[in-house]
Amino acid sequence: NAGVTQTPKFQVLKTGQSMTLQCAQDMNHNSMYWYRQDPGMGLRLIYYSASEGTTDKGEVPNGYNVSRLNKREFSLRLESAAPSQTSVYFCASSEYSRGNSPLHFGNGTRLTVT
Amino acid sequence: AQRVTQPEKLLSVFKGAPVELKCNYSYSGSPELFWYVQYSRQRLQLLLRHISRESIKGFTADLNKGETSFHLKKPFAQEEDSAMYYCALIVRTGNQFYFGTGTSLTVIP
Repeated sequence: NAGVTQTPKFQVLKTGQSMTLQCAQDMNHNSMYWYRQDPGMGLRLIYYSASEGTTDKGEVPNGYNVSRLNKREFSLRLESAAPSQTSVYFCASSEYSRGNSPLHFGNGTRLTVT
Repeated sequence: AQRVTQPEKLLSVFKGAPVELKCNYSYSGSPELFWYVQYSRQRLQLLLRHISRESIKGFTADLNKGETSFHLKKPFAQEEDSAMYYCALIVRTGNQFYFGTGTSLTVIP
């Protein structure tokens, strides 16, 4: 049982390049999330998908797009990377239909934009 | 508006000393609160949830609605407790989780 799997683990991009971060969960969770983690800022929600077929903006959506491909997979795309997007990105999932259900996190993707 | 506040970015305590990591929240509904822990270069893991009223790794946290707080406590800190700790609040509309900025705990041998 892998839980939440993110790829890649590390990535270096040049300004203006694009890339897609992949995330998959095998826990049959309804909700999936993308966070970024920055020193002194904690975790900030970029986008989330409360259930398959829906996506919504979080606190810091600018410069990102997402796709909920199916119930298992939720990808994050940077169309034109900027140095301000240098961060550690975490994907997470939770069971929306159950009260007080916690988030389960992936191992993170460390992205550097030069 | 900041929904979760962790006032201490850094906290150092000696091994065996009590530790308290502060968390205050702002939410008009009935809060659902969690503590997550992140050990060095690992994924975030759930430590506690308020509704369970459990003790994990010697840590406890009590929800105080009057003070809107959910402080994390441990009577005797261990070196392996050194980590980053995040307090989180669920907003049930859309099942959004809001995190505080985190407290980095260092336990000094």
